[in-house]
Amino acid sequence: DGGITQSPKYLFRKEGQNVTLSCEQNLNHDAMYWYRQDPGQGLRLIYYSQIVNDFQKGDIAEGYSVSREKKESFPLTVTSAQKNPTAFYLCASSTPGFGNTGELFFGEGSRLTVL
Amino acid sequence: GEDVEQSLFLSVREGDSSVINCTYTDSSSTYLYWYKQEPGAGLQLLTYIFSNMDMKQDQRLTVLLNKKDKHLSLRIADTQTGDSAIYFCAESIRGGYQKVTFGTGTKLQVIP
Repeated sequence: DGGITQSPKYLFRKEGQNVTLSCEQNLNHDAMYWYRQDPGQGLRLIYYSQIVNDFQKGDIAEGYSVSREKKESFPLTVTSAQKNPTAFYLCASSTPGFGNTGELFFGEGSRLTVL
Repeated sequence: GEDVEQSLFLSVREGDSSVINCTYTDSSSTYLYWYKQEPGAGLQLLTYIFSNMDMKQDQRLTVLLNKKDKHLSLRIADTQTGDSAIYFCAESIRGGYQKVTFGTGTKLQVIP
């Protein structure tokens, strides 16, 4: 089945540690995105990538890093510089470009808790 | 800049209609979307409307778009307990990069 797989689903981390969240898609989509979800704040864009080996900062990139070495994969690292990392993280992909509806396909999310 | 606003909570009785409202600020939006999020899961697209349309109907769902007031609504007819979820309004501006801005989400509670 085609889709987006995020792992792990739950992750606990001690303060001062970096953690990496995995996102893999087999939809052959060019664009991939990372969002952060906090209660009552909707989804906020962290990073996005339109093509392999290229990515751009979103609205809240500070304290996060990404890479896009393969079309299928877009891992997110939450660094110790992120001051409030406890949140629900969502990865998405799409096929941008004129003529497409722009639908985003989401993974099931990863819940990070900092102890 | 873009800003999308929704009320945070809506409670309806099973069998009634639900109406979820959204206001947006960017008049250059090309597509407007409604996404549904079940507890602890990702978002799934429910429906979308192109900015040159006023209304779209899809089974129990009716989307109304008022471009003058920058107001979008989602009506769910005959609401069921399985409709309990968070509903996000989103707008998209098409171009080389498609930026999607999401609202805060409306939590719909359906009372049996």
